[in-house]
Amino acid sequence: KQEVTQIPAALSVPEGENLVLNCSFTDSAIYNLQWFRQDPGKGLTSLLLIQSSQREQTSGRLNASLDKSSGRSTLYIAASQPGDSATYLCAVRLMDSSYKLIFGSGTRLLVRP
Amino acid sequence: GAGVSQTPSNKVTEKGKYVELRCDPISGHTALYWYRQSLGQGPEFLIYFQGTGAADDSGLPNDRFFAVRPEGSVSTLKIQRTERGDSAVYLCASRGGSEQFFGPGTRLTVL
Repeated sequence: KQEVTQIPAALSVPEGENLVLNCSFTDSAIYNLQWFRQDPGKGLTSLLLIQSSQREQTSGRLNASLDKSSGRSTLYIAASQPGDSATYLCAVRLMDSSYKLIFGSGTRLLVRP
Repeated sequence: GAGVSQTPSNKVTEKGKYVELRCDPISGHTALYWYRQSLGQGPEFLIYFQGTGAADDSGLPNDRFFAVRPEGSVSTLKIQRTERGDSAVYLCASRGGSEQFFGPGTRLTVL
């Protein structure tokens, strides 16, 4: 059974710091991995999607890497801003036809001004 | 609208009552998903519809939970004899291509 773990569970940093969020999964047979952002009371916003054949994806100050063989992904946020404060979730899509996602428990990020 | 919408945004009910949660997917999306997110956890898959039929309901926790999508668009998640442990945010997502788009969720509180 696929399990997804995110470390740390919570993180507080001063504005301007670069930071790394970690995601690990137990079964390397994934179709892709996706990072989401969730603000309180809101739905999930997709940040980056990495196909299983890719090593990384970049969008602005965000960079996500994927090492499928070791079951790990990292989300790197450069020059963090208070507006980056949110919960970050990673999710893997299984190799079946349903496209359902298996999520980690998330990392709650607070960027202090 | 342009995105997935869910109603109500908040629902408070008493233990033992019946509730219905509604999801309006993005127009034209044939695939629809329900997830449940408990406090401090990530969303957990409940059920997946392709068109009108439930293609995968392996995530439904027990037979008190049921979902329908009679015309292949709007879906309703139905929970009978609610229990306090059912309190959570229920998220709906729809998919047209390969990516799922999530609604804002319904926060269900069972007293």
